[in-house]
Amino acid sequence: AQTVTQSQPEMSVQEAETVTLSCTYDTSESDYYLFWYKQPPSRQMILVIRQEAYKQQNATENRFSVNFQKAAKSFSLKISDSQLGDAAMYFCAYRRSGANSKLTFGKGITLSVRP
Amino acid sequence: GAGVSQTPSNKVTEKGKYVELRCDPISGHTALYWYRQSLGQGPEFLIYFQGTGAADDSGLPNDRFFAVRPEGSVSTLKIQRTERGDSAVYLCASSLGRGVGTGELFFGEGSRLTVL
Repeated sequence: AQTVTQSQPEMSVQEAETVTLSCTYDTSESDYYLFWYKQPPSRQMILVIRQEAYKQQNATENRFSVNFQKAAKSFSLKISDSQLGDAAMYFCAYRRSGANSKLTFGKGITLSVRP
Repeated sequence: GAGVSQTPSNKVTEKGKYVELRCDPISGHTALYWYRQSLGQGPEFLIYFQGTGAADDSGLPNDRFFAVRPEGSVSTLKIQRTERGDSAVYLCASSLGRGVGTGELFFGEGSRLTVL
């Protein structure tokens, strides 16, 4: 079974600084997707960034980028120029590619941003 | 609608009562998922529909939980004889399904269930 591990329950960053959130996963599959979702107090999960396992290039979305290490099964999220609105819970998630595949989440990390 | 819609937003019930939670997915999305999220935890998978059929119901905790999607669009999660431990936020998500697109799931805002 696939597992996703987020070992840091909380992190804090100063506004405008950079923070990295860690995630590891375990799978025997070779083709899959990895995601970082953001969940603000409004509860709605919002996709931050996505990585296809077959792509060697790390995904980037504006201030958000990932460090995808397939051999090490590591998928960290870097947030640059942190903003107050980045404060939320962040979840790392895994999904096997193809039909009939569910999204498996880690336990999440609470990110706070200090003004 | 433009996004995944879930009703009710909040539901308070008494132990032993029956509850229904509704999910209206994004138009055209054939895959629909239910997750349960306890306070401070990550969402836990309950069930996944591809069209009208449940493709994977391995996450349903026991036979008090049941979900349907009779016309391949709206889905209802049904909980019988509710227990205090059922209190959680129930999230619904949809996607294009069958490996189409980017694999992204789109989530609703969830239904918070409180069992007294």
